[in-house]
This record gives sequence, structure tokens and C-alpha cells, in this order.
Amino acid sequence: DGGITQSPKYLFRKEGQNVTLSCEQNLNHDAMYWYRQDPGQGLRLIYYSQIVNDFQKGDIAEGYSVSREKKESFPLTVTSAQKNPTAFYLCASTRWAMNTEAFFGQGTRLTVV
Amino acid sequence: GESVGLHLPTLSVQEGDNSIINCAYSNSASDYFIWYKQESGKGPQFIIDIRSNMDKRQGQRVTVLLNKTVKHLSLQIAATQPGDSAVYFCAENMETGTASKLTFGTGTRLQVTL
Repeated sequence: DGGITQSPKYLFRKEGQNVTLSCEQNLNHDAMYWYRQDPGQGLRLIYYSQIVNDFQKGDIAEGYSVSREKKESFPLTVTSAQKNPTAFYLCASTRWAMNTEAFFGQGTRLTVV
Repeated sequence: GESVGLHLPTLSVQEGDNSIINCAYSNSASDYFIWYKQESGKGPQFIIDIRSNMDKRQGQRVTVLLNKTVKHLSLQIAATQPGDSAVYFCAENMETGTASKLTFGTGTRLQVTL
């Protein structure tokens, strides 16, 4: 079955450490997105990518980094520069310029301890 | 420091009644709009979409209305059921020249009472 997979589902990080969240899709989608969601709030765009080796900053990119070396994969690194990293992170993918709905992974809940 | 954001508004509806969830979008150049449903601890799920050349689109028990003049989107759910309880988000697709940027509204929590 095609889909988008995020791992791990739960992640704990010590303050000052970088951590990488995985996002993989086998839908042959061109575009991939990372969102952050805080409790009781909406989704805010961190980074997005339309094609391999290219990506753009979203609305809250500070303290985060991404790479897009393969079409199927769009990992997100939460760096120590992110002052409040505890949140629910969602990855999505869609076919570029096709105006179709984005498919979401099940999310990774990151907690800083 | 604290995250900046808006807390979700809540809509309470009695089972069997119709629900109307509203959304204001920001970019008049957006050409595609989507409604998503999110249950607790899960990723958003697609409900219905509409393109900017349409004013209305109907699905099963759901209808989306688009008013481009005032940049307003609404989701109507007929005969609301307990399983409809969730957070609902609208999203708009904006072409930025080099990419398609998908951004979300703040969301509305729908509570269905028995």
C-alpha cells in the first residue's frame, strides 16, 4: 500500500541535542512538507520541498534544517537552536502543481527532557 | 519561550443537526483549497477540496462553499454524528513562483453532543 510514514512516533531529546525526524513516502509525490503543531493549535509550516535537492523555508524555519536527497525522503532536523522544540511534527506530501490534496503521516511527538 | 499561536475556537453541535465551520484565507491568489479533519494524536485526513473556479462542491454529507470576494471558505456537515467530533482545518495552496506552498488555518474544534 502506498503511503507516507513518519518515524519514530515518540521521541525524547535532551536539551542542547540535535534530533532528526524521518519522513518517507512511496506515493511518487514531488512535493513534501513539514509542519509543527502545538497543543490546541493549528499547523505551522516549517519547510517545504518541490523537487530533489531544493527546498524553501516556511513560516517558522528558525532552528530547523532539512534535506531532500531523494524524492521519497524529507528528513527534518531539530537543532539546539530551536528554543521550544517540544511539539507534534507532521510531514505531508502531494503531487506538485497538480492541485491535489496532501497526504499526511501520523506524526512524531517530540519532547525535550 | 512560549510558542506563538491562536487557541482553537470550538463549535458545539447537537447530534443530527447541521454544522457549519468557517475559515478565512489570506491570499487572493490561492487557487486550491482543502478541508481536513484531525482526530487527537493523528495526522489530518482529507475531507473535500475545491478549486478557485468553483463556488460550491458537494461530497457525502459535506459541502464546501468558496467566496473569493471576501476570501472565505466554509464546510457544512449534514446530520452531524458523534464520529464527526474532531478538529477541522482549512488549507490554501499558494503558488510562490518556485514552489507550491500549502498553508493551514488555525482550525476549529467540533464537539458533537448527544
